[in-house]
Amino acid sequence: TQLLEQSPQFLSIQEGENLTVYCNSSSVFSSLQWYRQEPGEGPVLLVTVVTGGEVKKLKRLTFQFGDARKDSSLHITAAQPGDTGLYLCAGGPTGTYKYIFGTGTRLKVLA
Amino acid sequence: KAGVTQTPRYLIKTRGQQVTLSCSPISGHRSVSWYQQTPGQGLQFLFEYFSETQRNKGNFPGRFSGRQFSNSRSEMNVSTLELGDSALYLCASSMDPTGNTEAFFGQGTRLTVV
Repeated sequence: TQLLEQSPQFLSIQEGENLTVYCNSSSVFSSLQWYRQEPGEGPVLLVTVVTGGEVKKLKRLTFQFGDARKDSSLHITAAQPGDTGLYLCAGGPTGTYKYIFGTGTRLKVLA
Repeated sequence: KAGVTQTPRYLIKTRGQQVTLSCSPISGHRSVSWYQQTPGQGLQFLFEYFSETQRNKGNFPGRFSGRQFSNSRSEMNVSTLELGDSALYLCASSMDPTGNTEAFFGQGTRLTVV
């Protein structure tokens, strides 16, 4: 079974703090995506990472793809209440038609 | 460019009834996937269609079925509804889920079974 494990599962921090969310698998992915979902809405795509070791920045969010393309991380600098939501990593394991989602990290940023 | 459209947004059904949910993908996207999301189980994959063919199926009972039409629009059907089927049902479209293509989600259909 191909799984994407995310950690931590829950995170509650104060505004202005930094945080990192991890997404790990034993499978190799051709790419990984990160999504953010707000209650009652569908997940919204934040970024795609493709190349092993790749780093992408989206304002205060930094995404990294592991060298072996089995893991990824999301780092948020100076978190704001607007960052609150469910963060999901997802990807298609190489050689499959599958597209799987991580277990999710629920982030709450307190003002 | 219009996004993924799911209808209806909200639905209340009684146990034992059946329900059909609809999804219109982004124009040009040929792959449509369906997911069930509940607070306890997270995002669970139901099935994926590409060019009217079911290519992948998750671990759900046969009460859950779907289909895709020639215009890539998709429907999913749940028969003999159970209380545990209450969830947010999400549809996502993609150019093709192999390789580097991303999934774009609709706003979901919130199904409540009473």
